[in-house]
Amino acid sequence: LAKTTQPISMDSYEGQEVNITCSHNNIATNDYITWYQQFPSQGPRFIIQGYKTKVTNEVASLFIPADRKSSTLSLPRVSLSDTAVYYCLVGDYNNNNDMRFGAGTRLTVKP
Amino acid sequence: GAVVSQHPSRVICKSGTSVKIECRSLDFQATTMFWYRQFPKKSLMLMATSNEGSKATYEQGVEKDKFLINHASLTLSTLTVTSAHPEDSSFYICSARAAGGNTGELFFGEGSRLTVL
Repeated sequence: LAKTTQPISMDSYEGQEVNITCSHNNIATNDYITWYQQFPSQGPRFIIQGYKTKVTNEVASLFIPADRKSSTLSLPRVSLSDTAVYYCLVGDYNNNNDMRFGAGTRLTVKP
Repeated sequence: GAVVSQHPSRVICKSGTSVKIECRSLDFQATTMFWYRQFPKKSLMLMATSNEGSKATYEQGVEKDKFLINHASLTLSTLTVTSAHPEDSSFYICSARAAGGNTGELFFGEGSRLTVL
């Protein structure tokens, strides 16, 4: 599994757009990029997954540059309830069940 | 979305006893389940990968005789912490991948908080 690096923490204010970047310099050709959100004392929740370019769903967007060595999770107009830890995972899920989490980014949204 | 249920959500036990935690996929079949433990303000640490009908694959440093994992059906995996000690107190979380689903998407249980006195 490609090692990932994320900022340890980020602060934001309600209504702002938040971008969390994950570095994965050793990403392999068959690797996908997946982001999860975790609230205290709960299991993580899937947010979004991508392979290249841009993916958007109802809660977030994922931007992946052409070299795929990084990815950016974009949360539009955050609210207090978006305060959580965000993890990015990189792996070849078709051939490898290696689902190890990195340190994650603790996002704090302030009023 | 798919639902994974863990039970119990919270358990307190005396040192030396064994505790079993169940992880069930309620509306899908899970060929692979993963067990994690998490300490306060730390990330999830993968303990083992469990495939239905076969022995679990444990991560380096995780004692397989201490943490017994059974995945006897496509909807149930269990983690038994044997002869629990205070240092085993932690938040244990299971996850499952649905057969044929989104390749990277894992569905997580609510977690089980174990406190060993």
